[in-house]
Amino acid sequence: EVQLVESGGGLVQPGGSLRLSCAASRVTVSSNHMSWVRQAPGKGLEWVSVIHSGGNTYYADSVKGRFTISRDNSKNTLYLQMNNLRAEDTALYYCVKSGPEPPGYEYWGQGTLVTVSS
Amino acid sequence: EIVLTQSPGTLSLSPGERATLSCRASQSVSSSYLAWYQQKPGQAPRLLIYGASSRATGIPDRFSGSGSGTDFTLTISRLEPEDFAVYYCQHYFSGLFGPGTKVDIK
Repeated sequence: EVQLVESGGGLVQPGGSLRLSCAASRVTVSSNHMSWVRQAPGKGLEWVSVIHSGGNTYYADSVKGRFTISRDNSKNTLYLQMNNLRAEDTALYYCVKSGPEPPGYEYWGQGTLVTVSS
Repeated sequence: EIVLTQSPGTLSLSPGERATLSCRASQSVSSSYLAWYQQKPGQAPRLLIYGASSRATGIPDRFSGSGSGTDFTLTISRLEPEDFAVYYCQHYFSGLFGPGTKVDIK
């Protein structure tokens, strides 16, 4: 069974930084598209970023220039470096296996909570 | 930039009834890139449909997807108690999600 386990969330002050990690089992991070999706409390889903199997990266406008997605193939782990955090970044962050086949967000972790507050 | 609109916002139905959920895109999108997800409280979303009409692994056949261009539909033929949840459509290529439709018990 595929497992995606996120870690690294927590309470951080506005302007601060956090790095989220997603340890993958039974799925190879480097061979798949991997994404981060977030969900603010009581709100809907918001796509944040994707790293394609070929290494190309893409970001939502709301995080561009502040967040960086990366992966460590040797550790089979996905990362999200989040800098200059804002209150509106407060959310549950999900790591997702997001393709290329099927073309859908097929496997989700349980999420890690990021709270940005002074 | 594509905008996805889902309707209705809330759908109140009884078990056994048919549910029809709509997802409309602000511009034509490839049906290859339209997906649907189910999310229950306290759980991560689950992929139901990809490519507008293909069921994901393990999804019961009471769930079906259809549509093309700008108008897509998720149909649940007969609601089971476990189907009451929030449903999101997604334009897979851009990652964008719709705002969701909540299906609750009437």
